[in-house]
Amino acid sequence: DQQVKQNSPSLSVQEGRISILNCDYTNSMFDYFLWYKKYPAEGPTFLISISSIKDKNEDGRFTVFLNKSAKHLSLHIVPSQPGDSAVYFCAASADRDDKIIFGKGTRLHILP
Amino acid sequence: DAGVTQSPTHLIKTRGQQVTLRCSPKSGHDTVSWYQQALGQGPQFIFQYYEEEERQRGNFPDRFSGHQFPNYSSELNVNALLLGDSALYLCASSFGQGAHYGYTFGSGTRLTVV
Repeated sequence: DQQVKQNSPSLSVQEGRISILNCDYTNSMFDYFLWYKKYPAEGPTFLISISSIKDKNEDGRFTVFLNKSAKHLSLHIVPSQPGDSAVYFCAASADRDDKIIFGKGTRLHILP
Repeated sequence: DAGVTQSPTHLIKTRGQQVTLRCSPKSGHDTVSWYQQALGQGPQFIFQYYEEEERQRGNFPDRFSGHQFPNYSSELNVNALLLGDSALYLCASSFGQGAHYGYTFGSGTRLTVV
């Protein structure tokens, strides 16, 4: 049973425009959410996170929005750059000492 | 400062064999988590080691076992390999057990079972 769902396997966005990646979760115990980015032949690298006590966290071109009532979060990348082409994983954990659960990922293609 | 180091990078094994994968955590990290990433899927949690003990375990059979050494390095062992065990095995290290401490991932070991 997928507790973290990324329903879009892939997304193509023009360079310079906004990329929006979506994620839904089913476990109401999740209180910490993360986004990881993965290039081929490399391990996932941490991008940005958000605690359930917040609804927005921003870091440079990356912003994560959390809607707890809808059990939905999204990652916005503005402006999109060629180096952003990668697989993005949404992930969550239930408490401070809990494991991280990952979604299946969304492959982002930034078009020139 | 070296990050997380995994060995080997690639491995081919025959069904029924046993395999051992190795992970050296990032300097200063004391917790190691292992994940399996099948083709087209996200990383699936196998287990986590902290203070040389398995602290948490995902939905994987007993054929998957592990160990953590006093220097915090870790091994993942898989017995009686099945074709379905073919995957990228990722090791992640952190200081502390939880997500809030941040996980640093290695590049993985690509296991192919034939």
